[in-house]
Amino acid sequence: GAGVSQSPRYKVAKRGQDVALRCDPISGHVSLFWYQQALGQGPEFLTYFQNEAQLDKSGLPSDRFFAERPEGSVSTLKIQRTQQEDSAVYLCASSVDKSSYNEQFFGPGTRLTVL
Amino acid sequence: AQTVTQSQPEMSVQEAETVTLSCTYDTSESDYYLFWYKQPPSRQMILVIRQEAYKQQNATENRFSVNFQKAAKSFSLKISDSQLGDAAMYFCACQGRGAQKLVFGQGTRLTINP
Repeated sequence: GAGVSQSPRYKVAKRGQDVALRCDPISGHVSLFWYQQALGQGPEFLTYFQNEAQLDKSGLPSDRFFAERPEGSVSTLKIQRTQQEDSAVYLCASSVDKSSYNEQFFGPGTRLTVL
Repeated sequence: AQTVTQSQPEMSVQEAETVTLSCTYDTSESDYYLFWYKQPPSRQMILVIRQEAYKQQNATENRFSVNFQKAAKSFSLKISDSQLGDAAMYFCACQGRGAQKLVFGQGTRLTINP
């Protein structure tokens, strides 16, 4: 398909485990975003990439959260030493270039449950 | 910085009727953009409609239109001729010009009654 894909769709982790969430943006899209969506809430911004450069990581809640996009396409969001409050749906989005006002295309999300 | 408030956690409407979802926002930016996104139960967010704040004319996309009141910082979404497929969570979002991230409201769950 031509849309944004994310894997895994569901992840259950024991508290203290490390997890890695993957995002495949639409081919050729320059901008990539990660959002965190708690149950019953709107998405909240985590971080933004323009190609391989991480230009904004102001939304990452702690230093346990780390994101990368080494070749400017696929991105991975890593959470170390997971805590129960990390349970949420993690959404990835991409847009065609760096301009504002561009439509952000969202993936289906990864639902993370930390026990 | 921006904040977005959706004061209606849930709304319902009869099929074929019209419904309006409310959104207010606050921003320190002189220029910005506003969006409505739809999130069906499958969770994939879809853009419904967008508005550039410097444009006075309200945006329209088929059955979807907005009422943008810049002075009141209000951006409501009107859905005409509601269809069963319109049932979803609807999120209002704001983006500062030159910024990239979207700031979302808490969402409104829309139910369509057949």
